[in-house]
Amino acid sequence: DAGVIQSPRHEVTEMGQEVTLRCKPISGHNSLFWYRQTMMRGLELLIYFNNNVPIDDSGMPEDRFSAKMPNASFSTLKIQPSEPRDSAVYFCASSATSGYQETQYFGPGTRLLVL
Amino acid sequence: DQQVKQNSPSLSVQEGRISILNCDYTNSMFDYFLWYKKYPAEGPTFLISISSIKDKNEDGRFTVFLNKSAKHLSLHIVPSQPGDSAVYFCAASVSFGNEKLTFGTGTRLTIIP
Repeated sequence: DAGVIQSPRHEVTEMGQEVTLRCKPISGHNSLFWYRQTMMRGLELLIYFNNNVPIDDSGMPEDRFSAKMPNASFSTLKIQPSEPRDSAVYFCASSATSGYQETQYFGPGTRLLVL
Repeated sequence: DQQVKQNSPSLSVQEGRISILNCDYTNSMFDYFLWYKKYPAEGPTFLISISSIKDKNEDGRFTVFLNKSAKHLSLHIVPSQPGDSAVYFCAASVSFGNEKLTFGTGTRLTIIP
């Protein structure tokens, strides 16, 4: 099992540019989560999907952030335009059974730096 | 507003001794709590959890204690091993089965050989 796959692992961009983060969940998992980690706020849930449908996006900071899950094996988190305060590590996680937190498996993260 | 707080950013413990990591929460609706462990350049991995109907849950060297009246939980690691050096995150949800987790800011544990 390859685990949750995220790409890119590192991204450096300039303020104002569009950034797209990608995630491939574990095959067979039906829930997908996007988190952001910063020193000040720890791990924050941005949005999660169940069976490809967005369930809760209340953690999405503002309209510059959007997430999609076109199918069960792929999701994107887009920031447009990016700002320096978006610099953080972004994690994707997936789970097999809705409602069981123990089964949330995290990817290795994408470290984003916006200059 | 940080609903889950880990007030110690770092902790150093001698190998073989007990490590105690603390977590406080403010939302009285939280009733399910988890600890995750994170190594550098990896995602967090689930370690142990506890429901509000219990005050203790044990798994090998790891024990989580919950004090609902104080809105406080702690993770005890006994004995501490070098491989335990990692960042530990406390997380909470409003009910078991609710997938939305609220995480703390993490505590970096360093085990000194």
